Amino acid sequence: AQSVTQLDSQVPVFEEAPVELRCNYSSSVSVYLFWYVQYPNQGLQLLLKYLSGSTLVKGINGFEAEFNKSQTSFHLRKPSVHISDTAEYFCAVSDLLGSNYQLIWGAGTKLIIKP
Amino acid sequence: NAGVTQTPKFQVLKTGQSMTLQCAQDMNHNSMYWYRQDPGMGLRLIYYSASEGTTDKGEVPNGYNVSRLNKREFSLRLESAAPSQTSVYFCASSIRGNMNTEAFFGQGTRLTVV
Repeated sequence: AQSVTQLDSQVPVFEEAPVELRCNYSSSVSVYLFWYVQYPNQGLQLLLKYLSGSTLVKGINGFEAEFNKSQTSFHLRKPSVHISDTAEYFCAVSDLLGSNYQLIWGAGTKLIIKP
Repeated sequence: NAGVTQTPKFQVLKTGQSMTLQCAQDMNHNSMYWYRQDPGMGLRLIYYSASEGTTDKGEVPNGYNVSRLNKREFSLRLESAAPSQTSVYFCASSIRGNMNTEAFFGQGTRLTVV
């Protein structure tokens, strides 16, 4: 079964600085990968996903992620963060559960923007 | 378009009490899910329903039951609440349980069991 590791529980960064949130998954077989964002007191919403094709995936709000098969990583980046990016970010991978595919989730990384 | 709607948003229960969390989606999705979210543990799947009329256990089903009432509604029941069930519960739906399926989430129910 797949597992997902988010290496940092919290990442503090100054406003307008770049940020990278790290995600590693366990299996090197074909995978579909996702990043979701959870703003305070809200549900999760999709930020971006990798299904196939280009290893650099662009998402909403200026975020992008790079799929690296050899390192089994899917790190999330943004060149310049804003205070509105304060949220918790979850990495997820699809895995087979029974006869259906489900999402396996990382523990989350809280992005803390310092003014 | 409401998306996924959960009720209630907040609930406090005493140990041993029962309650049902309600979830409804208006996107004509086939698959629905119940997760719990605990600090530092991400989301853990409690139960899911791949399609109307079917339900299956997820990673942490003990202490819970579910009902897929129709295509729109998927409820989660705690028969005898325990403090270990204090958590934030999220309902989600997707078109179907394929590998590339995006999940849409409700805003969550914050449950405290005292």
